[in-house]
Amino acid sequence: GNSVTQMEGPVTLSEEAFLTINCTYTATGYPSLFWYVQYPGEGLQLLLKATKADDKGSNKGFEATYRKETTSFHLEKGSVQVSDSAVYFCALSEATGNQFYFGTGTSLTVIP
Amino acid sequence: GAVVSQHPSWVICKSGTSVKIECRSLDFQATTMFWYRQFPKQSLMLMATSNEGSKATYEQGVEKDKFLINHASLTLSTLTVTSAHPEDSSFYICSADSRLREILRDTQYFGPGTRLTVL
Repeated sequence: GNSVTQMEGPVTLSEEAFLTINCTYTATGYPSLFWYVQYPGEGLQLLLKATKADDKGSNKGFEATYRKETTSFHLEKGSVQVSDSAVYFCALSEATGNQFYFGTGTSLTVIP
Repeated sequence: GAVVSQHPSWVICKSGTSVKIECRSLDFQATTMFWYRQFPKQSLMLMATSNEGSKATYEQGVEKDKFLINHASLTLSTLTVTSAHPEDSSFYICSADSRLREILRDTQYFGPGTRLTVL
């Protein structure tokens, strides 16, 4: 079946530090992969996505590359800001349907 | 961008009462809407998928008689928690899939969530 395994948090970093949040997946077909972000008190927002192997999604300084050989979609950012403090969810969607499978979420706190 | 709203954002009710949560797509038509439940510090669990004008499809283990879903139009879906009990307390989130799937493929837009507390 389909599933997503995400690095457990919480993660606390100093401003301008490098961020990596690991995400690996299991899928029966060829899924699309996503990172969603949930800021305090708000709903989920799409951060970036990749729809096929070797694609790189990027947005707001965040990047993730769809690695089929390692079934991974790790989220990275070179220099985090306080405003990046949020919960980050890795997710996959089957190519032929709309159902999403989410990881457990990783809480990130960036301190000045 | 596409916006999905939920109402109410927070509701407290007595055990045994029913609560209705609305999910609206504000600036696009949603072919499909999804209802998720999120427990503290846990992931989103899909409860059901609803398509406009047809019965919802429930995930295994979700009681369809307890969680009534109505997708009456392309912009509105409702989730009614019937005879709520304290164990139903949770954060309920809806999402919508745009009818313009060719443009917004594989993208869902999420509502801000509704926190239900059953006393």
